[in-house]
Amino acid sequence: SQTIHQWPATLVQPVGSPLSLECTVEGTSNPNLYWYRQAAGRGLQLLFYSVGIGQISSEVPQNLSASRPQDRQFILSSKKLLLSDSGFYLCASGGSSYNEQFFGPGTRLTVL
Amino acid sequence: SQKIEQNSEALNIQEGKTATLTCNYTNYSPAYLQWYRQDPGRGPVFLLLIRENEKEKRKERLKVTFDTTLKQSLFHITASQPADSATYLCALPSSGGSYIPTFGRGTSLIVHP
Repeated sequence: SQTIHQWPATLVQPVGSPLSLECTVEGTSNPNLYWYRQAAGRGLQLLFYSVGIGQISSEVPQNLSASRPQDRQFILSSKKLLLSDSGFYLCASGGSSYNEQFFGPGTRLTVL
Repeated sequence: SQKIEQNSEALNIQEGKTATLTCNYTNYSPAYLQWYRQDPGRGPVFLLLIRENEKEKRKERLKVTFDTTLKQSLFHITASQPADSATYLCALPSSGGSYIPTFGRGTSLIVHP
């Protein structure tokens, strides 16, 4: 099965600072990759998904961006964080037709 | 657009009883439905997938049903244990052929010893 690595596990950043969260995948090639955000007590909000290198689709307008420089690497970025960017960020792989999704351990981001 | 509803109230049950969680959906006819478990501070973990032509699926103490007429899935845990306490999410593939999973908000299950 697949293993998803995410880092860091927790992050506290001031408003207006940049962000870079990295996700790498083991155990598969050419996976579909996803970034989700989960606010406290809320469901999973899909932010971005990618079906291949350099191919990024955005689900919601925001000040975040994503990039996929390598087949098994997915990066979530922001130039200037907002308070509303606080949340639990999850990277996931798989999820295509009839396939389960594998999730990483998540990054808890607090913007102060 | 498709909508997934799960009971936002936590389900509290006694150890040894059967827990039943509900997932309702509207405006969609999915080819399959998935259930995930999420522990606090962790990513969701896949449990079961049930296809539209399957009425019921079992895995150890877990049972999932899928009623495409009612647009509802039920998730049962028999002989529940405190270790089953977690949030359970249902997920459906998005319409339009992309199969991107859309998740419900999840229902918290608390099993008391």
